[in-house]
Amino acid sequence: SQQGEEDPQALSIQEGENATMNCSYKTSINNLQWYRQNSGRGLVHLILIRSNEREKHSGRLRVTLDTSKKSSSLLITASRAADTASYFCAPVDSWGKLQFGAGTQVVVTP
Amino acid sequence: GAVVSQHPSRVICKSGTSVKIECRSLDFQATTMFWYRQFPKQSLMLMATSNEGSKATYEQGVEKDKFLINHASLTLSTLTVTSAHPEDSSFYICSAPGGPGDEKLFFGSGTQLSVL
Repeated sequence: SQQGEEDPQALSIQEGENATMNCSYKTSINNLQWYRQNSGRGLVHLILIRSNEREKHSGRLRVTLDTSKKSSSLLITASRAADTASYFCAPVDSWGKLQFGAGTQVVVTP
Repeated sequence: GAVVSQHPSRVICKSGTSVKIECRSLDFQATTMFWYRQFPKQSLMLMATSNEGSKATYEQGVEKDKFLINHASLTLSTLTVTSAHPEDSSFYICSAPGGPGDEKLFFGSGTQLSVL
């Protein structure tokens, strides 16, 4: 199994701006998932992108996947204060095991 | 979506005591559950995979006798931290796939353990 590594570690933006965070991984994947965690809580699944997909949308979220570069990005458009949270990527290998990176802490100020 | 309930949300205990954390799948059956540990502002570290009706699979470096996992039914997995020490203080989270073939994980709300 492998961890995803998110970049940047922290991101501070104002409401209405877009937030972009990146994830890199090392070996081949079956799919890659993004999760969100509010402070002191469990994680919530945001979006799953398969290894044969390049881009996926869900509401204000846009995820890209570049398997040649072993990287993914998560874009949150028109951010809101409620988007303040930590965001984790989780590459999933053929065994189905998820390993999380350290996450990107996003702070959206009104 | 699927709901995973985790209790307690917070526990404070004395060194040397044991603490049990429960993780329940409320509206689905979970043959597999995952237990994670998280330090402040850090990643979730996978501790073990809990399998209903069989022994848990522990990740490298995780003490089986220290962190006892029992998955006695399709809706309940428990993690018992035995003879707790202050270094065991951490945030523990469980998760489960939403059902057969579901690749997404649904998480409990976590348990903050503080060992005095």
